[in-house]
Amino acid sequence: GAVVSQHPSRVICKSGTSVKIECRSLDFQATTMFWYRQFPKKSLMLMATSNEGSKATYEQGVEKDKFLINHASLTLSTLTVTSAHPEDSSFYICSARKDRGLEQYFGPGTRLTVT
Amino acid sequence: GQQLNQSPQSMFIQEGEDVSMNCTSSSIFNTWLWYKQDPGEGPVLLIALYKAGELTSNGRLTAQFGITRKDSFLNISASIPSDVGIYFCAGRDAGGTSYGKLTFGQGTILTVHP
Repeated sequence: GAVVSQHPSRVICKSGTSVKIECRSLDFQATTMFWYRQFPKKSLMLMATSNEGSKATYEQGVEKDKFLINHASLTLSTLTVTSAHPEDSSFYICSARKDRGLEQYFGPGTRLTVT
Repeated sequence: GQQLNQSPQSMFIQEGEDVSMNCTSSSIFNTWLWYKQDPGEGPVLLIALYKAGELTSNGRLTAQFGITRKDSFLNISASIPSDVGIYFCAGRDAGGTSYGKLTFGQGTILTVHP
């Protein structure tokens, strides 16, 4: 199989605080992981590409100091939303690609609400 | 940048009917993927296509990689209520700085009436 998990599934935080979201590939090694953001009834917007052991590559318009990504191992990537604001409220989804694979598998998503 | 046009945006069908949706691109892709997303969940991979002209089935689902490498379609036969969801196409450009990134279509919202 190719199972990707995310934790937490839902989180509510206060404005100004930081939130960490974990993405794990459970049954395969993922040299590359991707972080997406999705607004209601909209398509997925790629935020950044994360390669194990190296710095993430951010898409244009995504603040790297606000959305910190760490891909410390072949099975774990984390996204930290720093100094969260209400406009950061969204559905964040990670995906992982098997080593040298062409298929990309998605996690179940994390619903972030900033109050 | 690359753009994917997915149509239709939404479909309302009766249970048992067949469904067809497609995606067209402004540029060539080397891989086409089709995903289904249920509300509040992440997308689930349905079918992956790797070669121009390739026709692949997965149960009641059939997808094809267009000969021009700029389009793909997904067919669902004999729809059932659990087919409800949002279907996304995604293409991957193997070259240049965009290697590995998926470009997503806007999604097709499918509603199946029992």
